[in-house]
Amino acid sequence: NAGVTQTPKFRILKIGQSMTLQCTQDMNHNYMYWYRQDPGMGLKLIYYSVGAGITDKGEVPNGYNVSRSTTEDFPLRLELAAPSQTSVYFCASSYTPPGLAVQETQYFGPGTRLLVL
Amino acid sequence: QKEVEQNSGPLSVPEGAIASLNCTYSDRGSQSFFWYRQYSGKSPELIMSIYSNGDKEDGRFTAQLNKASQYVSLLIRDSQPSDSATYLCAVNDNTDKLIFGTGTRLQVFP
Repeated sequence: NAGVTQTPKFRILKIGQSMTLQCTQDMNHNYMYWYRQDPGMGLKLIYYSVGAGITDKGEVPNGYNVSRSTTEDFPLRLELAAPSQTSVYFCASSYTPPGLAVQETQYFGPGTRLLVL
Repeated sequence: QKEVEQNSGPLSVPEGAIASLNCTYSDRGSQSFFWYRQYSGKSPELIMSIYSNGDKEDGRFTAQLNKASQYVSLLIRDSQPSDSATYLCAVNDNTDKLIFGTGTRLQVFP
């Protein structure tokens, strides 16, 4: 199993450009999450999905969009990139909601470092 | 706004000592609590979960939960330089999501 994979690893965007961050998991997990982590800060939830075709906003959704057409993939779209979106983006997945089953946890991808100039 | 608070540190301890990391949370309905370790430039990885009041031990790690005080802690015994990392506390309040604290940076010096 590759687990959770994310592409690209690093990207520089100009202000106003758009891009899609890719996230794929091969563990047949229903739940998928997108977080951003600013330097010295914790993880802020952007969007999440509880299954194919179902998405919902997290704490900081503005400036982002998601879709979930398959169980495996959960891409994050940035429209009109702004310097405030400079961050490290983590995708995570889990089979159940966190805490429902003992030891069930979220598995994180390696992250995408995004710089908007 | 549900919150999870941690001291950002750094917490510096000598090798072999006990490191004590603390976390408080605002939502009394929270049921599940997690400690993640994050090395610099890497993604978080789960090291402990705890659901009931009291202590839970796993090797050198002990998680402690006090729901009445809305407090969860992580003790690392016999701290090693390889334990130097940021430790993130996360809380689930019976929704589909986790709320993360800002993390405590731990430095273990030889």
